[in-house]
Amino acid sequence: DIQMTQSPSTLAASVGDRVTITCRASQSISNWLAWYQQKPGKAPKFLIYKTSTLQTEVPSRFSGSGSGTEFSLTISSLQPDDFATYYCQQYDTYPWTFGQGTKLEVK
Amino acid sequence: QVQLVESGGGVVQPGNSLRLSCAASGFIFRTSPMHWVRQAPGKGLEWVAFIDSHGFEKFLADSVQGRFIISRDNSMNKVSLQMNSLRVEDTAVYFCAREVAVLDVWGQGTTVTVSS
Repeated sequence: DIQMTQSPSTLAASVGDRVTITCRASQSISNWLAWYQQKPGKAPKFLIYKTSTLQTEVPSRFSGSGSGTEFSLTISSLQPDDFATYYCQQYDTYPWTFGQGTKLEVK
Repeated sequence: QVQLVESGGGVVQPGNSLRLSCAASGFIFRTSPMHWVRQAPGKGLEWVAFIDSHGFEKFLADSVQGRFIISRDNSMNKVSLQMNSLRVEDTAVYFCAREVAVLDVWGQGTTVTVSS
């Protein structure tokens, strides 16, 4: 199985900050990577697919990059609604696997 | 609007069975592959199962292989997860999700608690 490792596990930041979350795959997944946002008690929300393509309605302050085994999610200017947990997920090979999550919290 | 609604969760003893259902609406269900993903209390997301649009191709996570069965009824716009030989570690919120390249629409989840 492909292991997905996110860092950091927790990230404290302030409104207006630029933040980056990284995701590493244990083997190459080309660009078959998605990002999800989840708030407490809610279902995950799909943000980005194919590494860098934003789902419609996702604000342009979100961006994704990478290829192969190294990927990142960047939020250019944090807004209050962005404090949540973020997961990367590979869909190159079954079983699909998620990173362990990065909790973005208020500093 | 596009909607997925899970049902069937509850509290069961280890070794028992439970059947989850996911009712779909607002899109052409018969053309959509579907997945189940679970989340144990306080933990991250774990992919559980996949079924293609016709119900022919299926994949299961190793952790549930041989115990869980995924199926679908395109006439009823429903996908199901039959969970047998349940273990304490199967305790989680179970989400169904539609696949359009990735998991683009999720249900609100149904809670399964396995406890003696």
